[in-house]
Amino acid sequence: DADVTQTPRNRITKTGKRIMLECSQTKGHDRMYWYRQDPGLGLRLIYYSFDVKDINKGEISDGYSVSRQAQAKFSLSLESAIPNQTALYFCATSATGQGEQYFGPGTRLTVT
Amino acid sequence: KQEVTQIPAALSVPEGENLVLNCSFTDSAIYNLQWFRQDPGKGLTSLLLIQSSQREQTSGRLNASLDKSSGRSTLYIAASQPGDSATYLCAVNRKETSGSRLTFGEGTQLTVNP
Repeated sequence: DADVTQTPRNRITKTGKRIMLECSQTKGHDRMYWYRQDPGLGLRLIYYSFDVKDINKGEISDGYSVSRQAQAKFSLSLESAIPNQTALYFCATSATGQGEQYFGPGTRLTVT
Repeated sequence: KQEVTQIPAALSVPEGENLVLNCSFTDSAIYNLQWFRQDPGKGLTSLLLIQSSQREQTSGRLNASLDKSSGRSTLYIAASQPGDSATYLCAVNRKETSGSRLTFGEGTQLTVNP
């Protein structure tokens, strides 16, 4: 089984809908991250969490919120989806801030 | 602000050729640099992690070097194979007052032709 899993893998939704992307990990890492990837822009950090009680905004947090339900679970929500949030979303984990990051398989989100 | 640049953006080579992918970054206050591979529509697979105190790391046919003072890293792929075709991303783990953060380059899309 994969160490970092994301659900759903693909999602098509309409403008204005609320949507949640979920990430689970079995690596036992404290740190978890959400990124989005857009063609020509690379990966950009949305939110990151050092532990269950510590959540921080990344470069592009507007329009997103997160919830760290447990050490192993980190969810990303789009309260009111808009078309420019169409992207590939990745979750990642690391044991420490200086450690290697491990990525999930990604969620392809399309907002119409 | 840390900026990461990868050159070239795309590269096409015949099978068997040795090749070098380049990554440059603007701020040398880093913990480490990580090279990833991404297949189309897929997640990122970590290839090599070089700590700021190291000069290079090797894994099989891959060798990554780091020159922190000049803000450069290279990924050398020996005897390339069609299965190496993918996008290669470098990411710099920069030091911040609140911890650390990865900044990614836009990637080099590699095609190895049989």
